[in-house]
Amino acid sequence: QSALTQPASVSGSPGQSITISCTGTYSDIGDYNYVSWYQQHPGRAPKLLIFDVSSRPSGVSNRFSGSKSGNMASLTISGLQTEDEADYYCSSYSSTSTLVVFGGGTRLTVL
Amino acid sequence: EVQLLESGGGLVHPGGSLRLSCVSSGFTFSRYAMAWVRQIPGKGLGWVSTISSPGSTYYPDSVKGRFTVSRDNSKSTVFLQMDRLTAEDTAVYYCARAAKADTIFGGEVEYWGQGTLVTVSS
Repeated sequence: QSALTQPASVSGSPGQSITISCTGTYSDIGDYNYVSWYQQHPGRAPKLLIFDVSSRPSGVSNRFSGSKSGNMASLTISGLQTEDEADYYCSSYSSTSTLVVFGGGTRLTVL
Repeated sequence: EVQLLESGGGLVHPGGSLRLSCVSSGFTFSRYAMAWVRQIPGKGLGWVSTISSPGSTYYPDSVKGRFTVSRDNSKSTVFLQMDRLTAEDTAVYYCARAAKADTIFGGEVEYWGQGTLVTVSS
């Protein structure tokens, strides 16, 4: 069981926007602005999309945006494209000895 | 160009040990936290260990006491010593580099290796 909770799947049509939630606790998301989001296509290593809740690494499309409210973080993908179909994972800094925790992942289907 | 190259994976019997290595290039290794992340094929990501740039180490309870992460800044290499392995440790293990240098590591991994498969089976 993952420390952070994500929906197992979400879906959307090309051009639409979708939001993936990531729920934690006061020990991680609630107390720290160190939330990251990753995209993973089958057979590939994960790709960093968002860090520090809402920052994008160089080269990541501005269609990807992140936010946080209380113990929940969110990833929004606007203008869905077929190549966005992938698995998405959130992670957060944690005050536990683990230091970092992941969500269980969300499978995005672009219909 | 940042490159992370893992090695050391393979088949090991339950209770056995393996040592993974990750040789890095293309950046000032000593300035970055490094991590190991694993993924059971078809399943989600799991944090295995973190070593900060000064050398502090962190582990989840699932591997604490069995796995040891270390780094050799002179060789730009991070290691993962895995002891008392069980079938539940079977996974692809990724070496990973923090996105930001010289600061607190909050889990933001910008660069990943290609992964090395560890299979624990009798």
